Amino acid sequence: SQQGEEDPQALSIQEGENATMNCSYKTSINNLQWYRQNSGRGLVHLILIRSNEREKHSGRLRVTLDTSKKSSSLLITASRAADTASYFCATVSTGNQFYFGTGTSLTVIP
Amino acid sequence: DVKVTQSSRYLVKRTGEKVFLECVQDMDHENMFWYRQDPGLGLRLIYFSYDVKMKEKGDIPEGYSVSREKKERFSLILESASTNQTSMYLCASSLDRWVYGYTFGSGTRLTVV
Repeated sequence: SQQGEEDPQALSIQEGENATMNCSYKTSINNLQWYRQNSGRGLVHLILIRSNEREKHSGRLRVTLDTSKKSSSLLITASRAADTASYFCATVSTGNQFYFGTGTSLTVIP
Repeated sequence: DVKVTQSSRYLVKRTGEKVFLECVQDMDHENMFWYRQDPGLGLRLIYFSYDVKMKEKGDIPEGYSVSREKKERFSLILESASTNQTSMYLCASSLDRWVYGYTFGSGTRLTVV
């Protein structure tokens, strides 16, 4: 499969802690995107990082990309109960193939 | 903000019925997509469209068809619903998914009994 694979599959933390989830992929990419999905809802685009970028920030989100290891991480700092959701990475390959991973389920305990 | 609206949040249909899932976007995007989402399988692309009256098969088109008569509307059709089509269906639109990613609707949870 060329899909991104998130790790861990599930993560449970206390409010205020940082949450880190990882995405590994197999093919060369143009960019990698992270999405959030609240239970029973559609996905929301969070951030896009291009293959020539190593780090990107958006509010409490920090994304890193290591193309040599074919991996990316999403860090959510100072987590809140409202951050409880599933998080997906999506890879856009150099062949313009677009694949979603199977997601990390994050639970933030108040 | 782009809005992608799916007409139903929940649907229950009987095996063999013809089912229409409607999706409307309000930002003049040319690109529209239908995905289904199943536990452990992630999101799988069913069909997509880059323009009015244009459609392309995704990874799992069997048992589905689509219609795009107007730019803002993209319909997914289950010609004869089967129980293995019970799933969450997600519609998305994009200005350019390679560059900007997708905007998704809220999803339709379809149960076929």
